[in-house]
Amino acid sequence: NAGVTQTPKFRILKIGQSMTLQCAQDMNHNYMYWYRQDPGMGLKLIYYSVGAGITDKGEVPNGYNVSRSTTEDFPLRLELAAPSQTSVYFCASSETSYGYTFGSGTRLTVV
Amino acid sequence: AQKITQTQPGMFVQEKEAVTLDCTYDTSDPSYGLFWYKQPSSGEMIFLIYQGSYDQQNATEGRYSLNFQKARKSANLVISASQLGDSAMYFCAMREGNDYKLSFGAGTTVTVRA
Repeated sequence: NAGVTQTPKFRILKIGQSMTLQCAQDMNHNYMYWYRQDPGMGLKLIYYSVGAGITDKGEVPNGYNVSRSTTEDFPLRLELAAPSQTSVYFCASSETSYGYTFGSGTRLTVV
Repeated sequence: AQKITQTQPGMFVQEKEAVTLDCTYDTSDPSYGLFWYKQPSSGEMIFLIYQGSYDQQNATEGRYSLNFQKARKSANLVISASQLGDSAMYFCAMREGNDYKLSFGAGTTVTVRA
């Protein structure tokens, strides 16, 4: 049982480059989330999805886009990377109101 | 307004002693859930304990217990018999009503001394 799988684990981007952070879950969870964690801080919600084809903005959506074409996958797209997007990104999924599964995170550095 | 407040940025505790991590929350929804997560230096988020707003008893999971004081809107985590492996960042989080999104506090770093 893989749970929530995030790729890549580490990435260095140059300012202005684009990339997609991948997130896949094999638990058939309807709810999926993207969070970012800046150094020494808590997690902030970027985007979330309540099911395939449905996404919505979280607290800090600027500079990001998401799509949810299948239940399993919830990729996060950075279009024009900026140094302010240097962070650790966590994908998570849930099916109940108390059972959340987090991925291991993607550490992104924008230089 | 902050939904979750953790006022202790860092704490030191002696091995085998208990430590209490503070968490206060703000919500007007009568139905909510409170969570504690551990984040060791390796970075993963580890679920520790959950308390629902309608739960009559304080949640316990092994050495972890949640001191839930509804009227004060506090959900403090108590770690008993601290171990060196408990050294980590600890986050309090909340879910409100039918909204499954989690709001996190800023975290508390715990360092266990031998």
